[in-house]
Amino acid sequence: DIVMTQSPDSLAVSLGERATINCKSSESVLYSSNNKNFLAWYQQKPGQPPRLLISWASTRESGVPDRFSGSGSGTDFTLTISSLQAEDVAVYYCQQYYNGPRYTFGQGTKLEIK
Amino acid sequence: EVQLVQSGAELKKPGESLKISCKGSGYNFGSYWIAWVRQMPGKGLEWMGIIYPDDSYTKYSPSFQGQVTMSADKSISTAYLQWSSLMASDTAMYYCARLAGSQYQPFDSWGQGTLITVSS
Repeated sequence: DIVMTQSPDSLAVSLGERATINCKSSESVLYSSNNKNFLAWYQQKPGQPPRLLISWASTRESGVPDRFSGSGSGTDFTLTISSLQAEDVAVYYCQQYYNGPRYTFGQGTKLEIK
Repeated sequence: EVQLVQSGAELKKPGESLKISCKGSGYNFGSYWIAWVRQMPGKGLEWMGIIYPDDSYTKYSPSFQGQVTMSADKSISTAYLQWSSLMASDTAMYYCARLAGSQYQPFDSWGQGTLITVSS
């Protein structure tokens, strides 16, 4: 299976500051025939189910604030929150769906307010 | 609006059987894969398997093959996950989620989760 490794495991950022979460896959999740990265980011707030934020490594889902952005290609990806808001406190997961249906998630990154 | 509504929390004893449900609305239920995801207390997300409700075709994660059974009834837009003999280690939150399209798509809509507690 493709192993997804996130860093850091936890992160504390001041309100209004930038938060950056990294995700590394053990194999490339870039499909060369369409040049798409099969990588998603999810947000899970306490007591809630996960919510899809970003698909195809950089495509924001409808309704997701534009302070959230995804970047990267191949094996290295980043989720950036440009200006942290209190409501962004959550655990964030990356997921590969390149090897569908053997989907794998990163271990999660807990984001808190400093 | 796409919605997945799961059945309520369960408290069971080891060895008991259980079937939980996930009812979809707001879309053509039969035409989208449904995934099941486990989240053990304080832990991350684990994919268990997927089912295509139109024909009930299933694919299981090797980690869960033989441990659970997925099924679906497209006439009532409902998917199921069942255990024949629960163990304490099955204690977890279980989510159903819809794949955005084919098997090579992210999970774009999630149920609220069903908490299963297995304790003697």
